[in-house]
Amino acid sequence: DTGVSQDPRHKITKRGQNVTFRCDPISEHNRLYWYRQTLGQGPEFLTYFQNEAQLEKSRLLSDRFSAERPKGSFSTLEIQRTEQGDSAMYLCASSRGSSGNQPQHFGDGTRLSIL
Amino acid sequence: LAKTTQPISMDSYEGQEVNITCSHNNIATNDYITWYQQFPSQGPRFIIQGYKTKVTNEVASLFIPADRKSSTLSLPRVSLSDTAVYYCLVGGTNTGNQFYFGTGTSLTVIP
Repeated sequence: DTGVSQDPRHKITKRGQNVTFRCDPISEHNRLYWYRQTLGQGPEFLTYFQNEAQLEKSRLLSDRFSAERPKGSFSTLEIQRTEQGDSAMYLCASSRGSSGNQPQHFGDGTRLSIL
Repeated sequence: LAKTTQPISMDSYEGQEVNITCSHNNIATNDYITWYQQFPSQGPRFIIQGYKTKVTNEVASLFIPADRKSSTLSLPRVSLSDTAVYYCLVGGTNTGNQFYFGTGTSLTVIP
């Protein structure tokens, strides 16, 4: 396992700008998850993919948030018109199988700071 | 919704066994319980996962009572490097597929 890779590790941007984060999961993992984590809190589930299908997105924080996994491999999370409250760590995780009961393996996140 | 509740913090001396309990009263029938360790500026790291009774691996044990409304992570003989935040995660059903972390337990190991 090469592990889950996230890019960039840090992103600083001005309010109102769009940002996009990339996640490369462990190669044989079918499932890919996105979470948001703010200081002192546990990760907050946002969305997940089974291969290229986005099977749960009701917990995306607003319509400014969107995620894609076009070929069932890497994924991107985009935030449009960023706001101060979007400052957080964005975590990606992946897991094997299709049941959702396999352990998730996390990357080290992208830390977003909105000026 | 399978929300979780954990103690906010715990202290332990080096070499002692540490038990951290997580409450998940609304756990669904097919949900698994997974524990993670997180250091600052890193993603959570998988420790152990279980469905019922007891699970043990090389670093920890997980105890789950019959009603599954709580679980206890047991760390034997902790060292300073075990100072971290520990989270339980409940979820993974075939329907719903939403996952809930609690606020975590900050464990401090004292020399």
